[in-house]
Amino acid sequence: DTGVSQNPRHKITKRGQNVTFRCDPISEHNRLYWYRQTLGQGPEFLTYFQNEAQLEKSRLLSDRFSAERPKGSFSTLEIQRTEQGDSAMYLCASSLVTGFGYTFGSGTRLTVV
Amino acid sequence: KQEVTQIPAALSVPEGENLVLNCSFTDSAIYNLQWFRQDPGKGLTSLLLIQSSQREQTSGRLNASLDKSSGRSTLYIAASQPGDSATYLCAVMGLLRGNEKLTFGTGTRLTIIP
Repeated sequence: DTGVSQNPRHKITKRGQNVTFRCDPISEHNRLYWYRQTLGQGPEFLTYFQNEAQLEKSRLLSDRFSAERPKGSFSTLEIQRTEQGDSAMYLCASSLVTGFGYTFGSGTRLTVV
Repeated sequence: KQEVTQIPAALSVPEGENLVLNCSFTDSAIYNLQWFRQDPGKGLTSLLLIQSSQREQTSGRLNASLDKSSGRSTLYIAASQPGDSATYLCAVMGLLRGNEKLTFGTGTRLTIIP
């Protein structure tokens, strides 16, 4: 078990393009979370899954954002029609169940030019 | 809505000193509190997890305390080293259904001066 893996590590895209990020959680963890972090701020919650069910979405997650976790394994976060304000570090975390600590991945840094 | 505050925002101390980082939260209905370390441009590394029923946790030179009733936690670092330089984030997990996620503070950027 190598922890939570996120790909790509860095993504530079032009405004208006679509991007997709992938997160592979720790295999036995059934909860998976997506957070977004901008410079100088703490991570902000976007959405989370328990197995394949998406249980909560933040108001930060506009209609341009969609997340999936097919079969309760890896997850993808897609941003359509990217805007410069989407530039941030996108962090994925997983946990066994509520009450256990989170393990975070190294993040995907998105730059929209 | 849960709000988490960390003071100070930045701290510089000479190597070898002991130091305390502070975290406060507005809603005491928490499941647990977790301290993380973040190096520049990197993800988060978990340092200590304190369940709501616990008062403190220790790992090596780190000790975290929790006073749920007053909405406060502290992270104590003993005998600081240059390698401790990083941003330290505290986060609380909500207790109530529908609030089962971490809410983070904005962090304390720690610099240890050799």
